[in-house]
Amino acid sequence: QKEVEQDPGPLSVPEGAIVSLNCTYSNSAFQYFMWYRQYSRKGPELLMYTYSSGNKEDGRFTAQVDKSSKYISLFIRDSQPSDSATYLCAMTGSGYSTLTFGKGTMLLVSP
Amino acid sequence: DGGITQSPKYLFRKEGQNVTLSCEQNLNHDAMYWYRQDPGQGLRLIYYSQIVNDFQKGDIAEGYSVSREKKESFPLTVTSAQKNPTAFYLCASSSWDRGSPLHFGNGTRLTVT
Repeated sequence: QKEVEQDPGPLSVPEGAIVSLNCTYSNSAFQYFMWYRQYSRKGPELLMYTYSSGNKEDGRFTAQVDKSSKYISLFIRDSQPSDSATYLCAMTGSGYSTLTFGKGTMLLVSP
Repeated sequence: DGGITQSPKYLFRKEGQNVTLSCEQNLNHDAMYWYRQDPGQGLRLIYYSQIVNDFQKGDIAEGYSVSREKKESFPLTVTSAQKNPTAFYLCASSSWDRGSPLHFGNGTRLTVT
């Protein structure tokens, strides 16, 4: 079983839709959870950062962590064509260690 | 503006040649990383460095080498021993604290023919 599973997509939605992106993980030691957005031929940029369980909201973006289910989500409200990108989840434990990444989900928002 | 600079953006080499990719950061981060990204493979860690003059192998270090002589710089050499060097290479940095997020450069696309 891979440590972090993420559906590669592509996920195609119309402009204005609510988008749900998800990752599941197997390591119960993970405590810090991140979402990165990567445009084509660019480096990933940090979108959301959460510690432990709960929700975090930033504008149109909401990150949700359910540690009991080992499941994290990123919700995008009122999606825009400029949201078309690959979204990568990443996580790490409470020790000093490198991040474990999902393989990314490609999102396409059509006007 | 603080950030990570990778150069060049595109690099072409002939098979059998070593090539060095540049990565510079002005974020005052202790840790720096090199990842390789291939379609469908996600990000794979090549090497990382927590401090100057020290570095650790990642998951796919074979055929690569690094140095960390300065805090700001972490060059990656792709040697002729790397069997499939054509890829998108990403450099990142972070503070070496628990749970620190990575900050990425915009990558170098290496093509070897």
